[in-house]
Amino acid sequence: DSGVTQTPKHLITATGQRVTLRCSPRSGDLSVYWYQQSLDQGLQFLIQYYNGEERAKGNILERFSAQQFPDLHSELNLSSLELGDSALYFCASSEGVVAEAFFGQGTRLTVV
Amino acid sequence: AQKVTQAQTEISVVEKEDVTLDCVYETRDTTYYLFWYKQPPSGELVFLIRRNSFDEQNEISGRYSWNFQKSTSSFNFTITASQVVDSAVYFCALHSGGYQKVTFGIGTKLQVIP
Repeated sequence: DSGVTQTPKHLITATGQRVTLRCSPRSGDLSVYWYQQSLDQGLQFLIQYYNGEERAKGNILERFSAQQFPDLHSELNLSSLELGDSALYFCASSEGVVAEAFFGQGTRLTVV
Repeated sequence: AQKVTQAQTEISVVEKEDVTLDCVYETRDTTYYLFWYKQPPSGELVFLIRRNSFDEQNEISGRYSWNFQKSTSSFNFTITASQVVDSAVYFCALHSGGYQKVTFGIGTKLQVIP
């Protein structure tokens, strides 16, 4: 158990809908990272937050947004969902801005 | 721009053989960090090692060893005496210092045959 909690584990939704994925980092970790893993794109870095502030941005679509709250949990919001958004979404956390990251179990999103 | 190349997409070895997974990276930053992660069939990603660009010492941890060579921009991973439990997808990743994104390689799927 990495100590990073992601909910929900599975999510099935229709195209055009909006969903929110939640991540609770390990106790004491200030950084949260979001990744998307799909068969055709591999593991793609989406965004990093550090202590509530956006730290780095990767290949995150404009339809996606994220935030980190004062209690350090984070949410990834995906809107106007398309079939191609079906993927495994991982959250990871680390103590500092660059450190080994501990990954959650992932949320498997299926858009139908 | 950052890039991580794992040229071996799939490797099969017989149990107890040694195997080396290659990782070549590109970055213009002088400060950066390299990682290896393991993703077993169960799906979770497990951190294995972190190396920063100023530390070229090779590292050994049990049956695992890592060879970091800045001259060739490589960070290779060797498993000695492979076991069936080593079967997984292994990812090499690069995180440049500063406000940079994390870049993962495409992964190498290792199958250890009993």
